[in-house]
Amino acid sequence: NAGVTQTPKFQVLKTGQSMTLQCAQDMNHNSMYWYRQDPGMGLRLIYYSASEGTTDKGEVPNGYNVSRLNKREFSLRLESAAPSQTSVYFCASSGDASVYGYTFGSGTRLTVV
Amino acid sequence: RKEVEQDPGPFNVPEGATVAFNCTYSNSASQSFFWYRQDCRKEPKLLMSVYSSGNEDGRFTAQLNRASQYISLLIRDSKLSDSATYLCVANYNFNKFYFGSGTKLNVKP
Repeated sequence: NAGVTQTPKFQVLKTGQSMTLQCAQDMNHNSMYWYRQDPGMGLRLIYYSASEGTTDKGEVPNGYNVSRLNKREFSLRLESAAPSQTSVYFCASSGDASVYGYTFGSGTRLTVV
Repeated sequence: RKEVEQDPGPFNVPEGATVAFNCTYSNSASQSFFWYRQDCRKEPKLLMSVYSSGNEDGRFTAQLNRASQYISLLIRDSKLSDSATYLCVANYNFNKFYFGSGTKLNVKP
């Protein structure tokens, strides 16, 4: 029972490089989310997808794009990485979030140099 | 002002102690609340939901005070394995979850 799977677990990028973070869930959840976690800032929502085919901006969307490829998969793309995007990125999914909360993936530690 | 505020701690307590954390939220329209636990370098995991009437799960008790806009988590008989960061979460609508920065707990032998 995998839950939410994120790849890669670690990544180092040079400023200006691009990359895509992958996320997949096997719980048949409708909603998926991308968060970043920085020291002292808590988790901040980047983008979310309430259902297959829809995506919306969260609190800190600048510099990111997302794709909800199908019900299972939700990817996050950094087109031109900046040092300010150094963070830990978590993907999450939920059925009825207001009742059951989220299930998180294990995270991607990204460093941009 | 942050939507959800927590004392970052750390709270250093001996095994067997009772410890309580509070968390305040700014939006009175918040509908649901949760406590998550996050171990070092791991993902957050749901600890418990917080219901208006208060709820208990073993050694853990969560309370909600809507009038004062805070939620609390009480841990009784602390174990070494309770050492972690505890995140408070407030939900305003379907996709508006706001996380606190977390309160760090260290349980010492």
